[in-house]
Amino acid sequence: GAGVSQSPSNKVTEKGKDVELRCDPISGHTALYWYRQSLGQGLEFLIYFQGNSAPDKSGLPSDRFSAERTGGSVSTLTIQRTQQEDSAVYLCASSLETVVQFFGPGTRLTVL
Amino acid sequence: RKEVEQDPGPFNVPEGATVAFNCTYSNSASQSFFWYRQDCRKEPKLLMSVYSSGNEDGRFTAQLNRASQYISLLIRDSKLSDSATYLCVVTSRGGTYKYIFGTGTRLKVLA
Repeated sequence: GAGVSQSPSNKVTEKGKDVELRCDPISGHTALYWYRQSLGQGLEFLIYFQGNSAPDKSGLPSDRFSAERTGGSVSTLTIQRTQQEDSAVYLCASSLETVVQFFGPGTRLTVL
Repeated sequence: RKEVEQDPGPFNVPEGATVAFNCTYSNSASQSFFWYRQDCRKEPKLLMSVYSSGNEDGRFTAQLNRASQYISLLIRDSKLSDSATYLCVVTSRGGTYKYIFGTGTRLKVLA
């Protein structure tokens, strides 16, 4: 079956530009997560969506980062006025009511 | 102190060897524990969940010690294909099932 998909797979942008990253979770999964993995660093939690509940945004590093999930399915992570330190792999994951999360292939973001 | 700590390695072992990784966590209220495997430039993939009683999946054995707040992963009869980074994952309470990752332990199995 189809897993979590993310687009684009790679994104190169200039400092100061806005970017949008997309995640399509596994069909039927109610929970969706965004993580960030910087070079040499571990995975860092960014945001969590569960059904119609208010998202847990506690991991977003600044107000330049935002995310939404439309119709309980697709999610978009937006980074405004990108900075070089935003360069990382952005990973999306989804899960059913159980705890186990399944990850997408990630979007590699490079800010020049 | 990081919430989840792992020895980054690399662990270089010959094929057929047995290798063990440990991971310590700081939050005694942590509820769920996992080992994920991450190949170079790929996404993390679930290797196994870790249960209090310990569990085994083929050549892989995971253990949890709540009193000492560590989990372990044992790999027997290492294969070249086991070369990867192994990520220790802990979840916190609070209803969000937020994953807290260790930075990973890199394993290289040598022919």
